[in-house]
Amino acid sequence: EAGVVQSPRYKIIEKKQPVAFWCNPISGHNTLYWYRQNLGQGPELLIRYENEEAVDDSQLPKDRFSAERLKGVDSTLKIQPAELGDSAVYLCASSSRRDRETYEQYFGPGTRLTVT
Amino acid sequence: GQNIDQPTEMTATEGAIVQINCTYQTSGFNGLFWYQQHAGEAPTFLSYNVLDGLEEKGRFSSFLSRSKGYSYLLLKELQMKDSASYLCAVRDGNAGNMLTFGGGTRLMVKP
Repeated sequence: EAGVVQSPRYKIIEKKQPVAFWCNPISGHNTLYWYRQNLGQGPELLIRYENEEAVDDSQLPKDRFSAERLKGVDSTLKIQPAELGDSAVYLCASSSRRDRETYEQYFGPGTRLTVT
Repeated sequence: GQNIDQPTEMTATEGAIVQINCTYQTSGFNGLFWYQQHAGEAPTFLSYNVLDGLEEKGRFSSFLSRSKGYSYLLLKELQMKDSASYLCAVRDGNAGNMLTFGGGTRLMVKP
């Protein structure tokens, strides 16, 4: 079974430029998460989707960040314009309602963003 | 809100046993996870506890005490490849089962 796929793996941009990250969750996983992980810290949830609906986006800085999950499968996270403080690893994860006990989240390899 | 505390760094010797502690405060506890994360890689699931007690899985065990808001991850027969960050995460049933992660404990295994 293929895992969570993310691209690009690395991105370097200048501040004020836009950037987009793409995520393809595990097939059949209805829940998709975007996390931001700063160096030496744990992941912090940005937004959670149940199918195509964003059910928790309270931590998403809506002035510059946006996300979408059209058709309830792939998702895109966008930052426009990027700031120096946005440098981090952006992780995508997915989980399935079929795994009812744990709702274990499976993580992708992440996109390491560097804003210069 | 939630508050999750775990040590920032630990060092142990190959072949030894190490215990990584995690304390938490949450209003709607609905499970605790331990993830392993090697540098530059994705977190991978290690264990899950929702009831008090010890869950054993090979060289790794995880313990939970809900009354004390406390968990630990026990790693036995340490190997060099166990050098990684270990993330404690608590699920909040009052917040849509959202996972909140601690800052992670970076474990260095030395020969």
